[in-house]
Amino acid sequence: EVHLVESGGGLVQPGTSLRLSCAASGFTFEDSAMHWVRQAPGKGLEWVSGISWNSGTKTYADPVKGRFTISRDNAINSLYLQMDSLRVEDTAFYYCAKDRCANGECYWFDPWGQGTLVTVSS
Amino acid sequence: DIVMTQSPDSLAVSLGERATINCKSSQSVLYSSNNKNYLAWYQQRPGQPPKLLLYWASTRESGVPDRFSGSGSGTDFTLTISSLQAEDVAVYYCQQYYRTPVHFGQGTKVEIK
Repeated sequence: EVHLVESGGGLVQPGTSLRLSCAASGFTFEDSAMHWVRQAPGKGLEWVSGISWNSGTKTYADPVKGRFTISRDNAINSLYLQMDSLRVEDTAFYYCAKDRCANGECYWFDPWGQGTLVTVSS
Repeated sequence: DIVMTQSPDSLAVSLGERATINCKSSQSVLYSSNNKNYLAWYQQRPGQPPKLLLYWASTRESGVPDRFSGSGSGTDFTLTISSLQAEDVAVYYCQQYYRTPVHFGQGTKVEIK
């Protein structure tokens, strides 16, 4: 069974940094593109960033471009999101999600982890 | 960007009755070379992460009950729950994956009347 477990969320002040992690199991991680999707409390879904299987392609939503960096370590089946210069509007649950396509990046998502909450507040 | 707009924002349906959710994209998500609509539907139950229901606008994900169906093409799509069950109370999202950045609709909350 595919399992995605996010960690690293917490309460931070504006302008600071945080690194999220996602531990993957139950599938061949090194073959799969992966993504981060966020959801502000009580709000809708917003795709944040995606990374190809070999880290050759990294894509970002405009609101986080230049501040967030996605990365992965296929040796330990882990996905990361380095978030710098955090803003109040970055407050959200951050979900790790597997790209549904077997090859390449298709940008639809299944399954999703349970999410980790990032709160940016002074 | 391709913007997704769902309607209604919420609806209340009696158990066993039909629920219909609409999703409109600002540009066509039909890829002419393979005749596929690059649209997915997700279900998010309270306190849970989203779950994929349908892809290619109408292909049901494995394990999804057949009371869930998708239709439409180009810019206009519909998710239908043919006979609402208690466990279907959730927020439903459409999402285009035709072009990055991908976007979701704002969500439609389905409740029991």
